[in-house]
Amino acid sequence: DSGVTQTPKHLITATGQRVTLRCSPRSGDLSVYWYQQSLDQGLQFLIQYYNGEERAKGNILERFSAQQFPDLHSELNLSSLELGDSALYFCASSVAFGAGGLGEQFFGPGTRLTVL
Amino acid sequence: DQQVKQNSPSLSVQEGRISILNCDYTNSMFDYFLWYKKYPAEGPTFLISISSIKDKNEDGRFTVFLNKSAKHLSLHIVPSQPGDSAVYFCAASGSGGGADGLTFGKGTHLIIQP
Repeated sequence: DSGVTQTPKHLITATGQRVTLRCSPRSGDLSVYWYQQSLDQGLQFLIQYYNGEERAKGNILERFSAQQFPDLHSELNLSSLELGDSALYFCASSVAFGAGGLGEQFFGPGTRLTVL
Repeated sequence: DQQVKQNSPSLSVQEGRISILNCDYTNSMFDYFLWYKKYPAEGPTFLISISSIKDKNEDGRFTVFLNKSAKHLSLHIVPSQPGDSAVYFCAASGSGGGADGLTFGKGTHLIIQP
């Protein structure tokens, strides 16, 4: 158990809809990352938040957005869903960088999104 | 354009022998490399990492080697055990010390044969 929790575990929805995925980082971790794992693309970095602020962006579509709240949990919002958005979405957390930290990220179990 | 490549989708090794998983990268800005292990229906689990200022890092049965000039790293598992059967992902990061978004390879499925 990595200490990172994600809800829901599974989500089935229709094209055009909007969903919210939730992540709670490990206790004490300030950074939250979102990744998408699809069959053909592998694990792709979407976005990172650090202590409530957006820190880095990867291959995140404009239809997707995220935020990190004062209690450090994070939500990933996916809108105008398309069939191709069906994937596993992972959240990861880390303490931060510097201060001798190795920066390894701890992953949650993922949310499997199916768009029909 | 894949910046981190794991060219072997799968690898079969006998229990007790050495498993060697390989990874190549193209982005010379990467300076921190990690290996993750993933079981079905679970998130990736951190295994071992290496900074670009080193060429080797060991942790128990796991050793990672980095050859910067060849932009190549490898993970050695000695001796291989049945519980090592999983998908192994190589990941790389820029100057954030690993604490920024990781670029992953597509993974190698390691199968340990009894």
